[in-house]
Amino acid sequence: GENVEQHPSTLSVQEGDSAVIKCTYSDSASNYFPWYKQELGKGPQLIIDIRSNVGEKKDQRIAVTLNKTAKHFSLHITETQPEDSAVYFCAASSTGGGNKLTFGTGTQLKVEL
Amino acid sequence: NAGVTQTPKFQVLKTGQSMTLQCAQDMNHEYMSWYRQDPGMGLRLIHYSVGAGITDQGEVPNGYNVSRSTTEDFPLRLLSAAPSQTSVYFCASRRTGNIPETQYFGPGTRLLVL
Repeated sequence: GENVEQHPSTLSVQEGDSAVIKCTYSDSASNYFPWYKQELGKGPQLIIDIRSNVGEKKDQRIAVTLNKTAKHFSLHITETQPEDSAVYFCAASSTGGGNKLTFGTGTQLKVEL
Repeated sequence: NAGVTQTPKFQVLKTGQSMTLQCAQDMNHEYMSWYRQDPGMGLRLIHYSVGAGITDQGEVPNGYNVSRSTTEDFPLRLLSAAPSQTSVYFCASRRTGNIPETQYFGPGTRLLVL
């Protein structure tokens, strides 16, 4: 089955700096890569996703890049703000796998003032 | 729409007790699933369902039962709770289709088994 590795496990940045979280996946058939943000005491919420037919997607301060050859994808947050502090999860799924999501282990992002 | 709702928010059980975690969604989603979240291990799939009357096992199904009698509800049953089942449980739902669809999560149930 699919295996998703996520790094780093914790990340601390100064407000206004950029943050990058990286994930690798093992199943070359995976074709959908969402990113979730989880605030303390809440359920994960989708913030951005990318499908395998594109290499990059942006939404305001958030962007995701995908390298299918190397089987890795990354989340980029620019101009970080204190409200960006949360746990971020990457995930991967494939149509052939019934679209079941396999999650990474999460990154605790802390944006310091 | 209320989205995905879960009850209770928090529960304490003694070893060997049974309980049912409730999950409901009002988005008419065919696909529903249960995850457990443990520190350093991300979200792991317990059971899932692609429609009423259809359920299947995920990555960590042992100790848990599910049923899906309606599109809206997908309860998770612990028949004999064990301390290893102490975790945060999330229910999720999405539409099904040929391409992956956005998955929506509930607020979670925190379970402590003593």
